[in-house]
Amino acid sequence: GDSVTQMEGPVTLSEEAFLTINCTYTATGYPSLFWYVQYPGEGLQLLLKATKADDKGSNKGFEATYRKETTSFHLEKGSVQVSDSAVYFCALRVYGQNFVFGPGTRLSVLP
Amino acid sequence: GAVVSQHPSWVICKSGTSVKIECRSLDFQATTMFWYRQFPKQSLMLMATSNEGSKATYEQGVEKDKFLINHASLTLSTLTVTSAHPEDSSFYICSALARLAGAPGYNEQFFGPGTRLTVL
Repeated sequence: GDSVTQMEGPVTLSEEAFLTINCTYTATGYPSLFWYVQYPGEGLQLLLKATKADDKGSNKGFEATYRKETTSFHLEKGSVQVSDSAVYFCALRVYGQNFVFGPGTRLSVLP
Repeated sequence: GAVVSQHPSWVICKSGTSVKIECRSLDFQATTMFWYRQFPKQSLMLMATSNEGSKATYEQGVEKDKFLINHASLTLSTLTVTSAHPEDSSFYICSALARLAGAPGYNEQFFGPGTRLTVL
C-alpha cells in the first residue's frame, strides 16, 4: 500500500539554523503531497502542499518541492525560529482515497 | 480557510463510563468526516470514515461497537467511546472534507484541534 517515510528525529537546532526534514513516499496512484505541523497540545495545521511534479509549496518561510523522480518532498527552511518548534508530518493523498501520514518529526529550536 | 472545532478539548473519565466527542465544521458543510487516533509521539491512525446519513466505515482492527460514530448532519459528527478503559486514553482528532469554491470535485481536508481523553 501507499506509505510515507520521514526522518523521525528529534531534530534539535539553534535559532537561525537551516532546516531540512526528509520525506519520501510510495504510492500506487499520482498523489498530492502535504506537510502538516502540530504544535504542542493542538491538532494538525496544513503548512504547505503540492499537487503535481515539480510544484513547490511554500508558506511561512518553509518550502518543499514535489520530486517525482526521487519520490521525495523534503521540507526546508533557511532560518528557523524558536516558534517553529513542533512536530512536522509529511503526508500524501491520492484523489478519492484517505490521507497517509508519515511518523512525524519533532523539531526543537533552541534560542 | 475552513474551520473545524472539537468539543471537549480534553476530558477525564472513570473506567467503564462512556465519553462523547463532537466534531463540527463551522463554516462549511461536510458530507464526509474522518476520525483519527494519535498515541504519544506517534503519527495519526485513521479509525473510521464518517458519512452523513449513513453508517461509518471502520478501519481494520477498530472495534465499531466500542467507537460509535454518528454523522447526523452536514456539520456534525460524534465519536462515542463506550465503556472506556485506560488503554483508550489517547488524542482523538477529527477532520472534515470540504469542497472548495471554484474547484468542483476537489476536496480538501481540514483538521480539528483534537480531544485529549484520559481514562482513569
